[in-house]
Amino acid sequence: DAKTTQPPSMDCAEGRAANLPCNHSTISGNEYVYWYRQIHSQGPQYIIHGLKNNETNEMASLIITEDRKSSTLILPHATLRDTAVYYCIVRVFSGGYQKVTFGTGTKLQVIP
Amino acid sequence: DTAVSQTPKYLVTQMGNDKSIKCEQNLGHDTMYWYKQDSKKFLKIMFSYNNKELIINETVPNRFSPKSPDKAHLNLHINSLELGDSAVYFCASSPDGRPSSPLHFGNGTRLTVT
Repeated sequence: DAKTTQPPSMDCAEGRAANLPCNHSTISGNEYVYWYRQIHSQGPQYIIHGLKNNETNEMASLIITEDRKSSTLILPHATLRDTAVYYCIVRVFSGGYQKVTFGTGTKLQVIP
Repeated sequence: DTAVSQTPKYLVTQMGNDKSIKCEQNLGHDTMYWYKQDSKKFLKIMFSYNNKELIINETVPNRFSPKSPDKAHLNLHINSLELGDSAVYFCASSPDGRPSSPLHFGNGTRLTVT
């Protein structure tokens, strides 16, 4: 299984961009990179995903390096409500279906 | 409108009891999942169903038996509960099993076994 490595914690000042890195050096060519976040003990919330190209939606931007071995999630203007654990995930197939495995994630603390 | 709903939100029970957790999604998705989050906050997949058929079983003890009466529902029945079963259980769904399909999670059921 392709695994991901993330820093355990990060701080970000409110209003500044939060850049969350992720390493996935063993990623295969057909595996997507996904980002989710979990606020308190709520269910994980989907943020964004990508395969090769950079992606942007109303929540965040995803920058994937050309060799696809790492990526960065960018929250352009972090707010206090963005304080959460952020998970970088590589989708893996099992028996023809995807199997999503969550790692330990990065605990992002947005500071006033 | 709640997309993925789980009941109950909290469940406290004694060792040896049998309990069920229900999950329903109104998104029209084909694939549903059960995840377990332990005290160390690791989220681990337990089961995955596609159109009512089991497709992933991650070496979960056979005391855990998922049941999918239709593709909008995936219930989890646990027999002979043990202390180690205490955790938060999350149900999730996705449009299908393809890698381009995001997961939508419920808000979890916190199970405490005493």
